[in-house]
Amino acid sequence: AQKITQTQPGMFVQEKEAVTLDCTYDTSDPSYGLFWYKQPSSGEMIFLIYQGSYDQQNATEGRYSLNFQKARKSANLVISASQLGDSAMYFCAMRGIFSGGYNKLIFGAGTRLAVHP
Amino acid sequence: AAGVIQSPRHLIKEKRETATLKCYPIPRHDTVYWYQQGPGQDPQFLISFYEKMQSDKGSIPDRFSAQQFSDYHSELNMSSLELGDSALYFCASSLEAPESGDRPYSYEQYFGPGTRLTVT
Repeated sequence: AQKITQTQPGMFVQEKEAVTLDCTYDTSDPSYGLFWYKQPSSGEMIFLIYQGSYDQQNATEGRYSLNFQKARKSANLVISASQLGDSAMYFCAMRGIFSGGYNKLIFGAGTRLAVHP
Repeated sequence: AAGVIQSPRHLIKEKRETATLKCYPIPRHDTVYWYQQGPGQDPQFLISFYEKMQSDKGSIPDRFSAQQFSDYHSELNMSSLELGDSALYFCASSLEAPESGDRPYSYEQYFGPGTRLTVT
């Protein structure tokens, strides 16, 4: 069975500093993808970054980077130069990669990030 | 770019009533997923459809049913509503069978804005 663990219920960071949100996972699937989503108080789910299990390099998207350590089964999100607008709930999620619609996302419990001025 | 459309955005129902949530996926996407997110919880998978056929089923109550129509839009039907059904319901769409000409594939599921259901 697949499982995502986010051990930090809440984090806070000073504006302009970097912050790391932790995510560990467990799966028996040979191919899988790891995602980070941001959910502001308005409720929408905003895709941030994706890492495939066979990708050789860590994913980066602007101020977001994913520290992927496959042997440790961790996929931590690093946000550089935090901004006040980064305050939100952050979910780590995983899916297998199969043909057809069998690729549901399994989410962690989330980490609530507060950026202080 | 077109996004996933969900309607209605907000819905208030009383216990034992029925509700229908609609989802319009991104054009060309072949798969629709439904998720339920209770207050303070992470999203939980309910059901998915691939090419208009139910493909996977999660923790969906028997009081709920869903289908995907010929135009690929999907509807989640909820009957005998309970207070515990109050939640944010997301629809997500993805392209699970990309063609060779598609750009590098990220397996991303694109989420709609959600329907906030309140049962009183």
